[in-house]
Parts: sequence; structure tokens; C-alpha cells
Amino acid sequence: QVQLVQSGAEVKKPGASVKVSCKASGYTFTSYGISWVRQAPGQGLEWMGWISAYNGNTNYAQKLQGRVTMTTDTSTSTAYMELRSLRSDDTAVYYCAREMGATLGWDVWGKGTTVTVSS
Amino acid sequence: QSVLTQPPSASGTPGQRVTISCSGSSSNIGSNYVYWYQQLPETAPKLLIYRNNQRPSGVPDRFSGSKSGTSASLAISGLRSEDEADYYCAAWDDSLSGWVFGGGTKLTVL
Repeated sequence: QVQLVQSGAEVKKPGASVKVSCKASGYTFTSYGISWVRQAPGQGLEWMGWISAYNGNTNYAQKLQGRVTMTTDTSTSTAYMELRSLRSDDTAVYYCAREMGATLGWDVWGKGTTVTVSS
Repeated sequence: QSVLTQPPSASGTPGQRVTISCSGSSSNIGSNYVYWYQQLPETAPKLLIYRNNQRPSGVPDRFSGSKSGTSASLAISGLRSEDEADYYCAAWDDSLSGWVFGGGTKLTVL
């Protein structure tokens, strides 16, 4: 079945970096894009950015420009999201989600990766 | 402060019809499609409505979406206990060149 399996929880110190993975299976990886969405504790959803698994094109949220990098490895059907210069307000659950098309929404989601930033 | 505005809470009794509103501006809802996501407790969001009023396969027809101008709404008819969840609206924002969400509405089934 179609699924996105994310890497495990991370605990990082302020100023460090974190790299979360999202392994796709059950579909042709390069036919879709992957968006990353995060959710701080008790808060709503925040879109972080998108990457095309076809050609690697990216579009990052303005707020995170310069701190986030999204990449893919088509040989393993895996998407990655790296966030640098971590702050306490980056503590959140990070989700990857498959984008069916520019106007079709995110139809498959990973279970989420908890990233805790604490000294 | 979310770009799209939703009421923080809504409630209804089993069998009732409830609606959740989502207000935006000309740069998002006014010129782009609206999407709705359902998030059950401690789970990832699930796509409920895309392109304003389209349901993905498997989503019951009790859920419907509509849009008018710079506002949208999600209607749930025949309310059931398993509908108790957080609901988020989303849209592309041309000014921000990114996706924006509402703050979420917590639906309680009394």
C-alpha cells in the first residue's frame, strides 16, 4: 500500500541541525511532490516547503528561507528535510505529505517525527 | 496568528449538521482552491476536501465543502462521535507564494 515512513524522534540542542527522512513506498516516487508540514505542541499546522521528486525543484516558506533544505534520493525513494540553527520554537511534530498535483491536495501523510529542541 | 481565520471550536449532537467557516483574503481563498483536513487526536492530518468541494475516494458524502468570495465552509451532516477532531482549512497564498492554514477548529460531538 502507499505509505510514507518517517525517521524517529530527535532531541537537539539550540543551534544544532536536524535531518528528518521520509521513505515512500507503494507508488512511483518521481511522479509526485513532497511537502513538509509541522505542528508545534498544541498548535496548528504550518507549511514548511515543497520539493518535486521528479526534478528536485523546491519552494520554501518565506519564514524558513535560509534555514531549511529539502532534498530527495530517488534511488531509495526517500525525501529529506534539514533544518539548521534550531531554536526552542522549532520544537514540533514534522510531517511529510505526498502532493498529488498542484491542485489536488496532500493525500498521503507520514505519521510524523517529533523534534525537541532543548538545552 | 494564522493567515486564514477559523472559529476555535464547534459542537453538535449526533445526527446534527454543523458547519465550520474559514475566512481569508483575495490573495488566498479569493483566487485559489480551498482544502480541508481532518486531524483525529494524536494522528496525522487526513485530506477531507480538495478543490473547494471535491471528496477523495473513501471520504463519506456527509462531508461537503463550499466557497464564496474570500470565505469557505465545511459542512458535516449526520454528525457521528468519530467526527470529533480538529479541522483545518488551507489555501495557496499568491502574496506569500506558499500554503497557508487556518488555526484549526476543534469539533466536539456532545
